[in-house]
Amino acid sequence: AQSVTQLDSHVSVSEGTPVLLRCNYSSSYSPSLFWYVQHPNKGLQLLLKYTSAATLVKGINGFEAEFKKSETSFHLTKPSAHMSDAAEYFCVVSENEGSGNTGKLIFGQGTTLQVKP
Amino acid sequence: DAGVIQSPRHEVTEMGQEVTLRCKPISGHNSLFWYRQTMMRGLELLIYFNNNVPIDDSGMPEDRFSAKMPNASFSTLKIQPSEPRDSAVYFCASSRGRNTYEQYFGPGTRLTVT
Repeated sequence: AQSVTQLDSHVSVSEGTPVLLRCNYSSSYSPSLFWYVQHPNKGLQLLLKYTSAATLVKGINGFEAEFKKSETSFHLTKPSAHMSDAAEYFCVVSENEGSGNTGKLIFGQGTTLQVKP
Repeated sequence: DAGVIQSPRHEVTEMGQEVTLRCKPISGHNSLFWYRQTMMRGLELLIYFNNNVPIDDSGMPEDRFSAKMPNASFSTLKIQPSEPRDSAVYFCASSRGRNTYEQYFGPGTRLTVT
């Protein structure tokens, strides 16, 4: 079975400083991994995805994530935080039952990013 | 593309009433998912369809919940009778198919049952 663990429920940074949101995954198969963002009172938006191509994935709004198989990690980073980055971030893995992808996504519990002026 | 469309955006109803939530997936997407989000339980998958057929409804909380997808462009989630503990934000998402991993979410319906 697959799972994701977001190591921080809440992260606070100052505007202009780097962002690091941590995610570890568990999967018996080559995983497909995603980061989604949810702004207050909005739906979830795909930030970026990893599907076994380049291990460093670039997403929207300056975010990127690096797939590290040896560490089973998929941390999300951004060099310089902006006030508009304040939101809930979800690390997600696709479910695979050996016979292939089921189409379902498994969500982490979320990390709330606070950006201080 | 208009994205996933959900209606209504907000619903307030009294306990015992029937509630119907609606979703229009992105055109050309073959898979549709219904989620529920609460502070206590986070994001939960309720049911998902592939080519209009329900594939997995193991997340549906109980018989009061039912979902249908009569055609490729429309789905409903019905709660009858509704209870206060059903209060949550309900999201619909769609994807191109089972082997296309990313899902696109609608704006959600905020349901309040009093």
